[in-house]
Amino acid sequence: ILNVEQSPQSLHVQEGDSTNFTCSFPSSNFYALHWYRWETAKSPEALFVMTLNGDEKKKGRISATLNTKEGYSYLYIKGSQPEDSATYLCAPYSGYSTLTFGKGTMLLVSP
Amino acid sequence: GAGVSQSPSNKVTEKGKDVELRCDPISGHTALYWYRQSLGQGLEFLIYFQGNSAPDKSGLPSDRFSAERTGGSVSTLTIQRTQQEDSAVYLCASSLDRRTHHGYTFGSGTRLTVV
Repeated sequence: ILNVEQSPQSLHVQEGDSTNFTCSFPSSNFYALHWYRWETAKSPEALFVMTLNGDEKKKGRISATLNTKEGYSYLYIKGSQPEDSATYLCAPYSGYSTLTFGKGTMLLVSP
Repeated sequence: GAGVSQSPSNKVTEKGKDVELRCDPISGHTALYWYRQSLGQGLEFLIYFQGNSAPDKSGLPSDRFSAERTGGSVSTLTIQRTQQEDSAVYLCASSLDRRTHHGYTFGSGTRLTVV
């Protein structure tokens, strides 16, 4: 079982603010890093799957970076909107088993 | 189907009763996973099926939990003699294979409450 840390645990921002969260994971035996968004009463939705050190992926106002050597990934949201309110989960994959999820960062965006 | 389907969406059961949770994965997805989220906890891995291989049961918390996947498609998670600590949201996910670069597709979950 991998040790996955996400911070902050929760975050409350105003509409229009930009924000970012951190995911820390073991740098050894790294294969991929997944990010998911989980809105209340819905299914977790895959945002990004990242594999290369230094990789940066973008989807609309959301982007993510990856540092496999030091074992962390950042998720950025530019100009947060109320519909961005959700729990954001990261999950590293070592290639030998299934995803190990962090506890997530709960984001609340107020209008 | 178009997505991963789980049933029931909500289940309230009395302590000591058995429950069955069903998952219908995306057609063609060979990998199927069960996770659960208890209050205040992260997503906890339970069991994983890959094609015709023996399932990875390493996450099952006790021998009261079992799962099967018939014909490489539908999966059933069974919890016998339910306890209050079994209360959680049980999520099923599927993927093309274990090493997917497209992420898992999750169902909307079954919220189990043991009273």
